[in-house]
Amino acid sequence: EAGVAQSPRYKIIEKRQSVAFWCNPISGHATLYWYQQILGQGPKLLIQFQNNGVVDDSQLPKDRFSAERLKGVDSTLKIQPAKLEDSAVYLCASSLVYEQFFGPGTRLTVL
Amino acid sequence: QKEVEQDPGPLSVPEGAIVSLNCTYSNSAFQYFMWYRQYSRKGPELLMYTYSSGNKEDGRFTAQVDKSSKYISLFIRDSQPSDSATYLCASTNTGNQFYFGTGTSLTVIP
Repeated sequence: EAGVAQSPRYKIIEKRQSVAFWCNPISGHATLYWYQQILGQGPKLLIQFQNNGVVDDSQLPKDRFSAERLKGVDSTLKIQPAKLEDSAVYLCASSLVYEQFFGPGTRLTVL
Repeated sequence: QKEVEQDPGPLSVPEGAIVSLNCTYSNSAFQYFMWYRQYSRKGPELLMYTYSSGNKEDGRFTAQVDKSSKYISLFIRDSQPSDSATYLCASTNTGNQFYFGTGTSLTVIP
C-alpha cells in the first residue's frame, strides 16, 4: 500500500513570497489533514478535510493560508505572503477511521 | 490545560535499557490512543494504536493505557540505537480530531 505522498520535500523562500505544497493521501482515505510542526513541538492541525468538505480550519491563519482538496483526493496548501514565523515542517496526513498516517513532510524555510 | 501533555525530555539511555515514555490527557472522552515515532527530518510513523484501557504488545514495544488516571505509556524493551527518535503520543475520541503531545526525544547510546 503506497503511503501519503508530499512535494516538494524542501522549500526555501523569502518573506512575502508565496509557496504551495501538494499532498496525495492513501487511496480510499476520506479524511485529510494538514499540520504545521515547529521544531521541538508536536504537530498543530491547520485544516482537516472530509472528502471535499472542510471539517475544521479553526487554526488556519486565513489571511495568508489557504487550502483546497480537489475531487476528494489530492490537496494543496498555499501560503501567501509568507512570514518568517511560517518556517516549519508542513505535514499531510490521511485516515480511514482512527489510524492516521503521515507523509514525509515539506520543510519550509522563510528567509 | 492542553488536551495531551508529554514530557519533552530529552531522554538518554544505554543500549539494552528499558525505556518508559509517558503522557497524560485531560479529556475523559478519549477512547483511542496512538504512539508515533518520528526520526529526524521524517514524518511521524504510526507505531502503536490502542483502544480504551489495557495493554498492547508488539515485539519490543508495549503500549499501556490507564483511563482511570488518564495516563498513556510506551515501554521499549532491549532498546537499540535505531530506536533513537522523537516519540509522540496522540489521542482522539471520534477519529475526527487528533490531539498530539509535544514529543519526547530519545537517544539510545551504543
